[in-house]
Amino acid sequence: QTVVTQEPSLTVSPGGTVTLTCASSAGAVTSSYYTNWFQQKPAQPPRALIHSTFNKHSWTPARFSGSLLGGRAALTLSGVQPEDEADYYCLVYYGGWVFGGGTKLTVL
Amino acid sequence: EVQLVESGGGLVQPGGSLRLSCRDSTFSFSTYWMHWVRQAPGKGLEWVANIRQDGGETYYADSVRGRFTISRDNAKNSLYLEMTSLTADDTAVYYCAREWSVWGQGTTVTVAS
Repeated sequence: QTVVTQEPSLTVSPGGTVTLTCASSAGAVTSSYYTNWFQQKPAQPPRALIHSTFNKHSWTPARFSGSLLGGRAALTLSGVQPEDEADYYCLVYYGGWVFGGGTKLTVL
Repeated sequence: EVQLVESGGGLVQPGGSLRLSCRDSTFSFSTYWMHWVRQAPGKGLEWVANIRQDGGETYYADSVRGRFTISRDNAKNSLYLEMTSLTADDTAVYYCAREWSVWGQGTTVTVAS
């Protein structure tokens, strides 16, 4: 069973830039694994941000971007806003779908 | 605008069964893969199962295979999850999702005696 690992927590200052990563026990994450990224705030369902590694949804703010970085999938937030404080999850396809454990992002 | 609405959650005893439903209010339900995802209290997201547009392919997480069955009725714009042999580990909020872009609000399943 593939395990997908994310940073448990990160802290960023308002206006700053932060990169969240998503690593796989099966090896390098590539664009073939259709990485999705989601944001979840307390007592709310997840909200889709990025699909197929790089692609934003129509509602995704421009400050969010998806990429591949050193064998990992990555989500970069540039010009962080206070409302970006949330849990972030990656989702990767390995013949079945596997979520990462999530990153709790604090804006402080 | 709420597009996906789950229902059917509740309290069930260990070993019991429950059927969840997810109603899609749009007219394009039949064109999408659909997923069930769950989230145990205070925990992360776990993919449960998915189903192809015509219902001809279904896939399950190891943790539920053989106990849960995903199905759909495109004429009713509805997705289902039949859950049997439930244990405390199945306690979670269950979400349906349309091709990972749109999610419902979730329905809570609690397995306890």
